[in-house]
Amino acid sequence: ETGVTQTPRHLVMGMTNKKSLKCEQHLGHNAMYWYKQSAKKPLELMFVYSLEERVENNSVPSRFSPECPNSSHLFLHLHTLQPEDSALYLCASSQEAGGPETQYFGPGTRLLVL
Amino acid sequence: ELKVEQNPLFLSMQEGKNYTIYCNYSTTSDRLYWYRQDPGKSLESLFVLLSNGAVKQEGRLMASLDTKARLSTLHITAAVHDLSATYFCAGARGSWGKLQFGAGTQVVVTP
Repeated sequence: ETGVTQTPRHLVMGMTNKKSLKCEQHLGHNAMYWYKQSAKKPLELMFVYSLEERVENNSVPSRFSPECPNSSHLFLHLHTLQPEDSALYLCASSQEAGGPETQYFGPGTRLLVL
Repeated sequence: ELKVEQNPLFLSMQEGKNYTIYCNYSTTSDRLYWYRQDPGKSLESLFVLLSNGAVKQEGRLMASLDTKARLSTLHITAAVHDLSATYFCAGARGSWGKLQFGAGTQVVVTP
């Protein structure tokens, strides 16, 4: 596989469920990101990881919990979500956090919270 | 806080004609990015503009950056149907280069 991959591509969960989103990048990058894209707001940055260390938490509620076990993998653990959390969750990577290179995005996970 | 505004938010294009999308940002941005998103798909990088006066071209698309005016433009020459998509600009701010996205411009190209 090449580029940035995400699983699952679609997820339906109830408000009491716990689920995880997975992202893997095959580009040798050192920085990974989680974004939320919803219909009513511009694309929002959630978290930034640089060399497995979280360097930015953009005021995200604690029901979203990121994990970066190594520079190629990024997870987003979800628990007790709200219907307004339904959105497209995009993972991205770049060579360095804060570097000039572009970010490469995965295909996204479309999440529906019932 | 960096704010990024795009206009128009929707653009109906006729094939063969030229159009421009504007991206204004509120404070100093280290650099400016343009992305394309097809329906149901992820974001595809188009251009990275790093300095004042930067101009980049790829096919029918040309992007430019004027840091003094805090303005970037994406110019489309002789629009074709394949260019139908949503185009986003994003500025970078802060030590970690956080991208601040505009709301996107939905482009529909018709014959």
